Amino acid sequence: GQNIDQPTEMTATEGAIVQINCTYQTSGFNGLFWYQQHAGEAPTFLSYNVLDGLEEKGRFSSFLSRSKGYSYLLLKELQMKDSASYLCAVRDPSPAGGSYIPTFGRGTSLIVHP
Amino acid sequence: NAGVMQNPRHLVRRRGQEARLRCSPMKGHSHVYWYRQLPEEGLKFMVYLQKENIIDESGMPKERFSAEFPKEGPSILRIQQVVRGDSAAYFCASSPDSLGNQPQHFGDGTRLSIL
Repeated sequence: GQNIDQPTEMTATEGAIVQINCTYQTSGFNGLFWYQQHAGEAPTFLSYNVLDGLEEKGRFSSFLSRSKGYSYLLLKELQMKDSASYLCAVRDPSPAGGSYIPTFGRGTSLIVHP
Repeated sequence: NAGVMQNPRHLVRRRGQEARLRCSPMKGHSHVYWYRQLPEEGLKFMVYLQKENIIDESGMPKERFSAEFPKEGPSILRIQQVVRGDSAAYFCASSPDSLGNQPQHFGDGTRLSIL
């Protein structure tokens, strides 16, 4: 993705639902990923969308609209351990050509409080 | 089944020295990606390699930076004559292919500090 936009920070209450949005502009879309990254740790894979619609996986769901260049990550029944940065990554053709590279947004820092 | 292994976890260098960062991909993964992350910022793509080949280095600075993924052994990201601006976390990721629904798996990163 040449241009990926996410909110910088969000706060939510334990037990609540939060939606993290991601918009992107790209020349040749080939999939969108969401990762979770705790401070000082490696990003870990959460979800993958390549077709329009909702993908549900336990407490986490991810939605994609390719025509709108839009995705969201939905977190339900928030827990304190969900406090982390959430990274949206779009896979599109590399400027160098010949390969597809996931490009990451700056991430959304989610703070869950009691 | 070991994940992506990066070493060292922390590396301190003085300006002008060389930094070597190592990455062993997950078993069965032949695609390796290097990213750089500054505080409060996202992961910036640097280079994509397969065994013995650099596939895409469009994100890597032209000078002082190089990467390799030899037939045997880990992938190496090498930074020569380091400067303060090279201080960052460097993450390596691997995947079994470059397309499809297989995500990248990340190592724990190397935190490079330049004195």
